[in-house]
Amino acid sequence: AQRVTQPEKLLSVFKGAPVELKCNYSYSGSPELFWYVQYSRQRLQLLLRHISRESIKGFTADLNKGETSFHLKKPFAQEEDSAMYYCALPGGPTGGSYIPTFGRGTSLIVHP
Amino acid sequence: DSGVTQTPKHLITATGQRVTLRCSPRSGDLSVYWYQQSLDQGLQFLIQYYNGEERAKGNILERFSAQQFPDLHSELNLSSLELGDSALYFCASSVGASVGEETQYFGPGTRLLVL
Repeated sequence: AQRVTQPEKLLSVFKGAPVELKCNYSYSGSPELFWYVQYSRQRLQLLLRHISRESIKGFTADLNKGETSFHLKKPFAQEEDSAMYYCALPGGPTGGSYIPTFGRGTSLIVHP
Repeated sequence: DSGVTQTPKHLITATGQRVTLRCSPRSGDLSVYWYQQSLDQGLQFLIQYYNGEERAKGNILERFSAQQFPDLHSELNLSSLELGDSALYFCASSVGASVGEETQYFGPGTRLLVL
């Protein structure tokens, strides 16, 4: 069964410090992975996806198939990065269907 | 608002009751997804509809059912409610059916409290 693990419930850093939000996955096929973010009082929204290999708001994420990880990184955290971050595995065919799986989320707090 | 909308925002009801949550997708989106978010379970996928047809099914209880109407809005029906059904229910939509390739756009959620 596919699984997404975000081992940290809470990550607290100071402004300007590097940030790494961990995500490990378990999936038998070739995974597509996403990071979603939820800022305070806003709805959940896509931050970035593996396939596009882009940097959004200074965040990057590299898929490491050997370590089955998709960690989210930013070299210098900003206060506006404080939010809840979810790693997601859209899934693969299960009886012909795709079952999205989300991690439990990591709350990032960036202190001034 | 051209984004995903959900009604109601909040719902308080009693055990054993039945409620209906409503979701309108973004204009042009054909897929609707339902999720349940509770403190102990995180964000759990319930079900996906694409253009009126059920596309994927997750850990949805038999007491729960959903449908997507011809105008593409969707309803999630929760019956014989239990205390443990208290959660935030999200709806999301996407253009196509292929979850692995699609960006999902989320609604603001409906907070259900079962007393």
